[in-house]
Amino acid sequence: KQEVTQIPAALSVPEGENLVLNCSFTDSAIYNLQWFRQDPGKGLTSLLLIQSSQREQTSGRLNASLDKSSGRSTLYIAASQPGDSATYLCAVRRGTDSWGKLQFGAGTQVVVTP
Amino acid sequence: DAGITQSPRYKITETGRQVTLMCHQTWSHSYMFWYRQDLGHGLRLIYYSAAADITDKGEVPDGYVVSRSKTENFPLTLESATRSQTSVYFCASSESAEYYGYTFGSGTRLTVV
Repeated sequence: KQEVTQIPAALSVPEGENLVLNCSFTDSAIYNLQWFRQDPGKGLTSLLLIQSSQREQTSGRLNASLDKSSGRSTLYIAASQPGDSATYLCAVRRGTDSWGKLQFGAGTQVVVTP
Repeated sequence: DAGITQSPRYKITETGRQVTLMCHQTWSHSYMFWYRQDLGHGLRLIYYSAAADITDKGEVPDGYVVSRSKTENFPLTLESATRSQTSVYFCASSESAEYYGYTFGSGTRLTVV
């Protein structure tokens, strides 16, 4: 069974620091990995999608890496801002599942202080 | 407007009542999913669908029923609501099983009293 773990569960940084969020998964047979952002009381917003054949994806200040063989992905957020405060979730799309169901981590709650 | 919409955004219902949560997507995505999100449990899959009239159970299907007569709609029905079904419900869609990500709706916050 695929298990997805996100460490740390919570993180607080001063504005301007780079954020590093970790995601690990137990089964390397994945189609892709997706990072989401969730603001309190809101839905999930997709940030980055990395296919299993890719090593990284970038969008603005966000960069996500994927090392499938070691079962790890890292989301980097450069020069953090208070508006980056949210919960960040990673999810893997299981490659052994013909339906491609997502398996979510529990999330990392990020607070960026001014 | 293109996208995935859920209705209602908020719902309060009484124990034992039947309630239906609606999900509509405009992309004609084949795959649709229902999740519930609870503190301490994260996101858990309730039901999913690969196409019209093809559905299957997820991790926590008890007490829920789905139907998918049209590609764009995937309603979730609580047959007899219980307090344990108080939660935030998210619908999601995806174009394929492999190469595409999920897009989520804004959620429905359901309270069963």
